[in-house]
Amino acid sequence: DAGVIQSPRHEVTEMGQEVTLRCKPISGHDYLFWYRQTMMRGLELLIYFNNNVPIDDSGMPEDRFSAKMPNASFSTLKIQPSEPRDSAVYFCASSLVRVAGELFFGEGSRLTVL
Amino acid sequence: AQRVTQPEKLLSVFKGAPVELKCNYSYSGSPELFWYVQYSRQRLQLLLRHISRESIKGFTADLNKGETSFHLKKPFAQEEDSAMYYCALMVSGGGADGLTFGKGTHLIIQP
Repeated sequence: DAGVIQSPRHEVTEMGQEVTLRCKPISGHDYLFWYRQTMMRGLELLIYFNNNVPIDDSGMPEDRFSAKMPNASFSTLKIQPSEPRDSAVYFCASSLVRVAGELFFGEGSRLTVL
Repeated sequence: AQRVTQPEKLLSVFKGAPVELKCNYSYSGSPELFWYVQYSRQRLQLLLRHISRESIKGFTADLNKGETSFHLKKPFAQEEDSAMYYCALMVSGGGADGLTFGKGTHLIIQP
């Protein structure tokens, strides 16, 4: 298994543009998490899904952020419109419910909004 | 709300010296604590969890509920231990709810 796969690895865009980040979890994993990492705030949990259903989105900063998981092998995190303060590394992670706390992370998507 | 504090952003020690990475948490219930590590150009990965009481790569961590701490220790540091270390807290029982991470400590082992 190639592990959690995220795309794109790097994205540079201008303020106001729509950004879509993609994630393919490890096959068979029940949970999928989206985290954001910045120097100031560290790793923040944005939202997580269990069996494709969003469970807790209280970490999503504002309505400009949305996430979907249409099936067990794909999730997206969308920012519309993007702002410079959204610049960060966005991580996707997946896990199995019976191994609570063991998250498998992707390599991250580095977003720069100019 | 729960919180994880790692007071040191950067810790530099010499090879062979003991290492202690500090982690404190705030949570009124019974937490589960973890240490994650990110080596250069690698993914963030689980290092150890308190419930397993295991030693991984020579590292151990003991949960001290009285001091609400979960410090990571290694008696003799090696150069390959250089990495970012994150302490993490999971508060709900069962399931795989999201972890709350500290801001991380960059450990540098000098030769």
